[in-house]
Amino acid sequence: DSGVTQTPKHLITATGQRVTLRCSPRSGDLSVYWYQQSLDQGLQFLIQYYNGEERAKGNILERFSAQQFPDLHSELNLSSLELGDSALYFCASSVLASGGAYNEQFFGPGTRLTVL
Amino acid sequence: SQQGEEDPQALSIQEGENATMNCSYKTSINNLQWYRQNSGRGLVHLILIRSNEREKHSGRLRVTLDTSKKSSSLLITASRAADTASYFCATDDQWTGNQFYFGTGTSLTVIP
Repeated sequence: DSGVTQTPKHLITATGQRVTLRCSPRSGDLSVYWYQQSLDQGLQFLIQYYNGEERAKGNILERFSAQQFPDLHSELNLSSLELGDSALYFCASSVLASGGAYNEQFFGPGTRLTVL
Repeated sequence: SQQGEEDPQALSIQEGENATMNCSYKTSINNLQWYRQNSGRGLVHLILIRSNEREKHSGRLRVTLDTSKKSSSLLITASRAADTASYFCATDDQWTGNQFYFGTGTSLTVIP
């Protein structure tokens, strides 16, 4: 158990809908990262938040947005869903904001999103 | 893309044998990490090696890093059926440091 929790475990929805995925980082971790894992794209970095502020942006679509709240939990919002958004969405957390000496990331169990 | 690549894509060995997988990446890095993922589950951190290190051990794992060749290898000795999983290398970017770039993964099957 990494200490990172994600809800829900599974989500099935229809095209055009909007969903929210939730992540609680490990106690003491200030950084939260979101990743998308699909069969054809592999594991793609979406976005990082550090202590409530956006820190880095990866391959995140404009239809997707995220935020980190004062209690450090984070939510990833996916809107106008398309079939291609079906994937595993992982959240990870780390103590540090950036690289350098040590930035091991601890991954949550993921949310499996199926768009029908 | 700055994504790394693992080689081989898939590897099947007998229990007790050693498994070696390689990772190549494209940019200068601060560190490189290896993760394991069991089917459909989250990633588990295995080991981190810094850019100024050449070799690191952790239990049955041995990681090497050659920054001149931008490559790393993960050796699992005396493999067990429980080692069956996908293995990914992840690198950060020396200059931005924030983004993690994951490789395409090596799928390891250890046959009992």
